[in-house]
Amino acid sequence: DTEVTQTPKHLVMGMTNKKSLKCEQHMGHRAMYWYKQKAKKPPELMFVYSYEKLSINESVPSRFSPECPNSSLLNLHLHALQPEDSALYLCASSRGGGDYYGYTFGSGTRLTVV
Amino acid sequence: DAKTTQPPSMDCAEGRAANLPCNHSTISGNEYVYWYRQIHSQGPQYIIHGLKNNETNEMASLIITEDRKSSTLILPHATLRDTAVYYCIVRAYSGGYNKLIFGAGTRLAVHP
Repeated sequence: DTEVTQTPKHLVMGMTNKKSLKCEQHMGHRAMYWYKQKAKKPPELMFVYSYEKLSINESVPSRFSPECPNSSLLNLHLHALQPEDSALYLCASSRGGGDYYGYTFGSGTRLTVV
Repeated sequence: DAKTTQPPSMDCAEGRAANLPCNHSTISGNEYVYWYRQIHSQGPQYIIHGLKNNETNEMASLIITEDRKSSTLILPHATLRDTAVYYCIVRAYSGGYNKLIFGAGTRLAVHP
């Protein structure tokens, strides 16, 4: 298995809702990442997990809450989002936090906040 | 973090080589250059990376200048499916952890 799987592919949520995005990989990678991508912009790093511990938080608002229950799974919990949070949310993984290998990205979850 | 500069857009005829340049004049001696591409509405796809030597794989070739201040990604025979945004990235470290920070990229259009 050489893929990063993200679910759901599309999500529409209200500003008072709580939802979660899921990311899964079975490549034995020990580092996992969340990126946010607005339309026609490059991906922006949000969080880095290394060996199931949060290593980097790029000053992301607390309405985004990451969780890494095990080495294969990464969640992003969403609460009280704003319409400007609508974006493509990308998950990626790599062999390790400081390695020289590329990242494998999922296809993303397209989130719309109404 | 070493920054990269790429042209915002390029065109290429199908079947011809596409040469995508990237400037990274502030790169440090141990920083790798990575290339990714993103086809519309998909996740970025790893293409190739290198440190100082030229590299080739089944997708592309990477030519890095001797002073390492610039590089060129070469797609030897571009097809319509190579139409995408191409990102040149110099990997950044923060507290010992790897970060891939994307710049604006080059939008490559391959036309018949």
